[in-house]
Amino acid sequence: GESVGLHLPTLSVQEGDNSIINCAYSNSASDYFIWYKQESGKGPQFIIDIRSNMDKRQGQRVTVLLNKTVKHLSLQIAATQPGDSAVYFCAVSPPWGNTGKLIFGQGTTLQVKP
Amino acid sequence: DVKVTQSSRYLVKRTGEKVFLECVQDMDHENMFWYRQDPGLGLRLIYFSYDVKMKEKGDIPEGYSVSREKKERFSLILESASTNQTSMYLCASSLSRAEQYFGPGTRLTVT
Repeated sequence: GESVGLHLPTLSVQEGDNSIINCAYSNSASDYFIWYKQESGKGPQFIIDIRSNMDKRQGQRVTVLLNKTVKHLSLQIAATQPGDSAVYFCAVSPPWGNTGKLIFGQGTTLQVKP
Repeated sequence: DVKVTQSSRYLVKRTGEKVFLECVQDMDHENMFWYRQDPGLGLRLIYFSYDVKMKEKGDIPEGYSVSREKKERFSLILESASTNQTSMYLCASSLSRAEQYFGPGTRLTVT
C-alpha cells in the first residue's frame, strides 16, 4: 500500500523567515507528489507538484524537494508572510491504478508570528 | 480556472434524516471524490467515482452512498444521518494521475 506521514503537526515561524514543512511516504514506486494549502473555512488549494523524474521544483516563493532515496518530500516557503498561515498537506499518487486517487498526510499547521 | 461547487456551505439536519450533498465541477474531469475532514484525523476518503455510474468505496464508506448520473455531478447521500456524521465534507475532482481540485466544503451538523 501507501501511507503518508508528516513530521510535525504544528510549525511556528517568524514573519520573514523561511519555513520548511516535511512529509514522508512509504511506497518507493510512487511517482507524483502534491502540496496543498488549506486556509480556515476553505477547501484545500493546490500549491505545487513534482513528479519522480525531478528532485526540485520551484514556484513563486515555494520550492518542493523530493528525496526518493529516503522517500521524503519537503515544502519550503521563502520569506514567510502572515497570509501563509494555514494547514499544509502533502499528497501522494499511489503507483497502482489510474483513478486519480491521492493519499493525504495529516497536515502541518503553519503559524506565522508578526 | 477549474471550479468545483458544493450545494451548501452550512447544513443542519436532524438525526435520522436523509441528507443529500451535491457537488458540481465544470472541467470535464472523469474522477470525483468525497472526503470528510475532522480535527486530528485529516482528510478521509468516503467514496470516489472514475466515470459516470461508476463508484468505488474509499476508507470510510459506512453510512454513506453516492450517485453519479452525469459526469459533472457527484452526490453524497447520508441515508439516515447520525450525530457522528457531523463533519466538514469536501468534494474534489481531477483528471487521472493529476492534482485534485477541491470545493469550498459543506459543514454539516447533525443534531
